[in-house]
Amino acid sequence: KNEVEQSPQNLTAQEGEFITINCSYSVGISALHWLQQHPGGGIVSLFMLSSGKKKHGRLIATINIQEKHSSLHITASHPRDSAVYICAVMNYGGSQGNLIFGKGTKLSVKP
Amino acid sequence: SAVISQKPSRDICQRGTSLTIQCQVDSQVTMMFWYRQQPGQSLTLIATANQGSEATYESGFVIDKFPISRPNLTFSTLTVSNMSPEDSSIYLCSVGTLRQGYQDTQYFGPGTRLTVL
Repeated sequence: KNEVEQSPQNLTAQEGEFITINCSYSVGISALHWLQQHPGGGIVSLFMLSSGKKKHGRLIATINIQEKHSSLHITASHPRDSAVYICAVMNYGGSQGNLIFGKGTKLSVKP
Repeated sequence: SAVISQKPSRDICQRGTSLTIQCQVDSQVTMMFWYRQQPGQSLTLIATANQGSEATYESGFVIDKFPISRPNLTFSTLTVSNMSPEDSSIYLCSVGTLRQGYQDTQYFGPGTRLTVL
């Protein structure tokens, strides 16, 4: 079993829909990242959080430390949101930079 | 936040040659990392680039194959040496800052897409 599991693996949505991507992890963590990877390969850091909820524009990330679960929500989705969304955790006590990555959720938003 | 640039953004190389990838950050950062993402795979940490000293490599990665330099707090290079098709990957530079002894943030560069023929 992977230490970081994401669901769904693939997601197709219509423009305007509300989207949720889930991430569950099995290790103790000091922080969790949500990353966005576009087809060219570049990665954008969306959120780094260790508790509660963060919001940036149409993106919202939540984390429940007790349940070892995080969600990334996209409101009013748009075709430009199409990308792979990756959850990564920093293992508590692990060496810095050595994140544990989920396999990613490929999102496609149709106009 | 930190803005990271990488050069080149992509390259196609011949087997047996070497490629040096540059990473430039717009601010002084404590930590710089190099990751590899092989096709269809998650990211894997290659090494932590240490300013003024040898990089710290993860298991499975060695200095002879992936020499790394970090002459100052804003710049690092990764060389992929004696390339083979198995080295075809996206190579990503990442930076982090420390606060009170703990890693505070981590940002990723745009990546370098390498194809080895």
